[in-house]
Amino acid sequence: DAGVIQSPRHEVTEMGQEVTLRCKPISGHNSLFWYRQTMMRGLELLIYFNNNVPIDDSGMPEDRFSAKMPNASFSTLKIQPSEPRDSAVYFCASSFRRLIGLLNTEAFFGQGTRLTVV
Amino acid sequence: DAKTTQPNSMESNEEEPVHLPCNHSTISGTDYIHWYRQLPSQGPEYVIHGLTSNVNNRMASLAIAEDRKSSTLILHRATLRDAAVYYCILNTRGNSGGSNYKLTFGKGTLLTVNP
Repeated sequence: DAGVIQSPRHEVTEMGQEVTLRCKPISGHNSLFWYRQTMMRGLELLIYFNNNVPIDDSGMPEDRFSAKMPNASFSTLKIQPSEPRDSAVYFCASSFRRLIGLLNTEAFFGQGTRLTVV
Repeated sequence: DAKTTQPNSMESNEEEPVHLPCNHSTISGTDYIHWYRQLPSQGPEYVIHGLTSNVNNRMASLAIAEDRKSSTLILHRATLRDAAVYYCILNTRGNSGGSNYKLTFGKGTLLTVNP
């Protein structure tokens, strides 16, 4: 497997524009996470999905942010309208969560999308 | 969410062992202890995890205190490629039931390896 694939790797956009970040999780994984990383705030969990259903979106900063997972192999994080303070590296991660017992498998992260809003 | 405390930075010499500490005094009985690391310009990478017993894998060892209030990640022979930020994370159960969880990262420990 090629791992978690994120696109684009770099995105530069003007303030006010819509930005869509994409993620393809590892095949067979049933949990997907979106994180944002900045120097000031570190790695922040924005939202996570289990079996394509959003479970916890308490980390989504504002209504300008939205995330979808239409199927098990694709997720998007959209920012509309974008602002300079949204500039950060956005990571997507996936893992397999067993339904029975307390077993946890590791999360695999993509290479990230570096977003710059000017 | 249960919190972890790690030193901001540590320094090591190449080919020497490194012990990275983590305190998690408010850990609950079903929280797993996970360690991830982040190399420069890359996404976080899983290192190891455990519940109560010490764990070993090809990357590292995890020593867990008997009361589970602290743990130590051990790199047996540090290399220059081990220079990274190391995160100690408690795998917290989600509120919606036993099948969901999330990883909450703190600031981690920046490990510098000297040649």
